[in-house]
Amino acid sequence: EAQVTQNPRYLITVTGKKLTVTCSQNMNHEYMSWYRQDPGLGLRQIYYSMNVEVTDKGDVPEGYKVSRKEKRNFPLILESPSPNQTSLYFCASSHWRAAVNEQFFGPGTRLTVL
Amino acid sequence: DQQVKQNSPSLSVQEGRISILNCDYTNSMFDYFLWYKKYPAEGPTFLISISSIKDKNEDGRFTVFLNKSAKHLSLHIVPSQPGDSAVYFCAASVGGKLIFGQGTELSVKP
Repeated sequence: EAQVTQNPRYLITVTGKKLTVTCSQNMNHEYMSWYRQDPGLGLRQIYYSMNVEVTDKGDVPEGYKVSRKEKRNFPLILESPSPNQTSLYFCASSHWRAAVNEQFFGPGTRLTVL
Repeated sequence: DQQVKQNSPSLSVQEGRISILNCDYTNSMFDYFLWYKKYPAEGPTFLISISSIKDKNEDGRFTVFLNKSAKHLSLHIVPSQPGDSAVYFCAASVGGKLIFGQGTELSVKP
């Protein structure tokens, strides 16, 4: 089954404790991206990657890191999480350019930073 | 500043009638526009897209209209069905970036 998986689905952590949210897709997509969803703000892009070893900042990259060492995986790293990073996070993938090809979204990761 | 805006947080329509969801944007460099639909506890799913060189794209019950001079796009759903009840996000693309609006929650009543 074609899908985007994220782990964990739910996470409660404390300020400053490094964490990684994994994202994996099995559709051989070149493009992958991370978003956060907050009430009243919609979805905001954090980082995106057009292909392996190529990453670019989205609208809200501060406090986040990503890497794209393999085509299928695109982990999101919070080196020192803060309460303002409490949010619902989505990973997505598509064939090379999201605009002309539908993005497939993962089920979301709900993160709470205390 | 919000480059893509959906000014109506919610919309309620009767089953069988037309639903019209609106979206405004400010950046004239956007080259594609998309609509996504989201149910609670799920990721968004792609609905329909339109290139900036077109003014209309249709897919079954869904039609997207683009008015570049007004920097406005709209999604028409005809006829609306209760299963269409969800949050709808418009999005605009430039390069690899995708900018989403705040979303409009559509409720279709039987």
